[in-house]
Amino acid sequence: GQNIDQPTEMTATEGAIVQINCTYQTSGFNGLFWYQQHAGEAPTFLSYNVLDGLEEKGRFSSFLSRSKGYSYLLLKELQMKDSASYLCALLDSNYQLIWGAGTKLIIKP
Amino acid sequence: DVKVTQSSRYLVKRTGEKVFLECVQDMDHENMFWYRQDPGLGLRLIYFSYDVKMKEKGDIPEGYSVSREKKERFSLILESASTNQTSMYLCASSPGTVDGASGNTIYFGEGSWLTVV
Repeated sequence: GQNIDQPTEMTATEGAIVQINCTYQTSGFNGLFWYQQHAGEAPTFLSYNVLDGLEEKGRFSSFLSRSKGYSYLLLKELQMKDSASYLCALLDSNYQLIWGAGTKLIIKP
Repeated sequence: DVKVTQSSRYLVKRTGEKVFLECVQDMDHENMFWYRQDPGLGLRLIYFSYDVKMKEKGDIPEGYSVSREKKERFSLILESASTNQTSMYLCASSPGTVDGASGNTIYFGEGSWLTVV
């Protein structure tokens, strides 16, 4: 079967760095997405990884290890506007998205 | 920018009522999806469509049906609403097979909050 796990909630301080982990189990893999969702709003695309390693986009980076079934989203120089839920999604062998429950990130001043 | 518009943000319906949730996308996308989002659970796929008049069941189709008469419009229908269908419903679209390597990602509407009483 397929399974995705991510922490339910995390708290961090403005200006700091936070790492949100996502672990998965799957028989087929075509990539992993991260989406950001502010309360009451649509999820929006942040990153996609299909090869091992780190992809950097400004303050946000995403890492993938396929052998370990593990990804993380790294947010640097945290701003209050980064308070949101972060959704990890696996693209399976049928190109269907399997979603994690999301991690609610709370930023404190 | 891609825009996915859901016609109703907040609805309150009675048990047994028929409910229509409408979704329109403006980027000529082939694929459209309906998800529901509940606390502590990931997005769960209800139905999706790869073409006009075509539909496929997702993971939780029971109690729902869909209609895609035009490419830009995908409707979710609750034939007889029940309290366990109280949820946030998200419509989404994608230009083709979701494949981040080619840049094809999924675009969401802002959601429809449905309460069934």
